[in-house]
Amino acid sequence: EAGVAQSPRYKIIEKRQSVAFWCNPISGHATLYWYQQILGQGPKLLIQFQNNGVVDDSQLPKDRFSAERLKGVDSTLKIQPAKLEDSAVYLCASRHPGHPTGELFFGEGSRLTVL
Amino acid sequence: AQRVTQPEKLLSVFKGAPVELKCNYSYSGSPELFWYVQYSRQRLQLLLRHISRESIKGFTADLNKGETSFHLKKPFAQEEDSAMYYCVFGAGSYQLTFGKGTKLSVIP
Repeated sequence: EAGVAQSPRYKIIEKRQSVAFWCNPISGHATLYWYQQILGQGPKLLIQFQNNGVVDDSQLPKDRFSAERLKGVDSTLKIQPAKLEDSAVYLCASRHPGHPTGELFFGEGSRLTVL
Repeated sequence: AQRVTQPEKLLSVFKGAPVELKCNYSYSGSPELFWYVQYSRQRLQLLLRHISRESIKGFTADLNKGETSFHLKKPFAQEEDSAMYYCVFGAGSYQLTFGKGTKLSVIP
């Protein structure tokens, strides 16, 4: 089966600019996650969707970050305006409802550099 | 709150030597714990989960509630084991909290 697809793979922007990342989960995976991984740290959950509803966005900096999953499939994560500390890899992951707890499938990630 | 702690950022061992990647957790109930691995230029992937008590690629991890630990072990390291290893805590709603990771380097 095809894996989780993410784009773009790399993005370089100036601070205060905006950026958007796209994720296409594995077909049939109802749960979708966005993680932020800063260099030298483990991934940190930003937001979790169940179909097109938000399950948890408690760690999403809502003043500048937004995410949507309108049709319960693809998802977009936006940052506006970007700050230097947003430089990180943004990972998308998905989970099938029938799969065991903890088994997430990750995309390759989108690496953001903010100058 | 930090749920899992991986005290070592980098661990280097010689090929054929035993490996132990340490992980301690903080949780008063019965945790769900996992190990994820990321090989060079590959995606982050699940290695094993404590509940299944399985051995994957020669790795095992036993949950020790008394010591609140979930250390990852392998008796004989191989070069292909070189990777980043993350200890992961599972909570409700299928959320996962990752540790900071340990980079394992197996020296030929």
